[in-house]
Amino acid sequence: AQSVTQPDIHITVSEGASLELRCNYSYGATPYLFWYVQSPGQGLQLLLKYFSGDTLVQGIKGFEAEFKRSQSSFNLRKPSVHWSDAAEYFCAVGADKLIFGTGTRLQVFP
Amino acid sequence: GAVVSQHPSWVICKSGTSVKIECRSLDFQATTMFWYRQFPKQSLMLMATSNEGSKATYEQGVEKDKFLINHASLTLSTLTVTSAHPEDSSFYICSARDRGPTDTQYFGPGTRLTVL
Repeated sequence: AQSVTQPDIHITVSEGASLELRCNYSYGATPYLFWYVQSPGQGLQLLLKYFSGDTLVQGIKGFEAEFKRSQSSFNLRKPSVHWSDAAEYFCAVGADKLIFGTGTRLQVFP
Repeated sequence: GAVVSQHPSWVICKSGTSVKIECRSLDFQATTMFWYRQFPKQSLMLMATSNEGSKATYEQGVEKDKFLINHASLTLSTLTVTSAHPEDSSFYICSARDRGPTDTQYFGPGTRLTVL
């Protein structure tokens, strides 16, 4: 069955610290992988996506993610978190229909 | 990036009434749009796939007669919640697939529906 797991429900980091949000997937074919961010009461904004090619993907707002086929993972990273990064982050897999993980809420302390 | 709008952004209605939510792709044509539902502090659940000029494809467990979807043009899909009840209160989000060079789904800002 196709699924996405985000093991961390809630993460708290200090501003300026590094960040890694975990995402594991189960998908029958070569996956299209996405990370979206959602601010409270808002829709989703695409941070980055992986279709093929270079397994290290650069996105907006200084985020990057690495596709590791052997680990079925697509973890999101940022070297230095800003207070404005506080939001809900969703990992998703799929080509047409997207399957979303349950999300990770990021809290940033000054 | 591409822009998808939703209208209204929020709506409050009485139980038993119907509510229509519009989803528009503003700067690209979308043959395929998607409707999601999100409960508080939960993930997005796909309700249906809306295809321009044809019937929508509903996910298992989603009532077709309850959630009417119409995709009349390449830039507009509508979701009508018929005979709404309090349990239909939720955050409804649409997305539109841009099959151009980016081949990406872009999401609308969502519609908060509250049924009294």
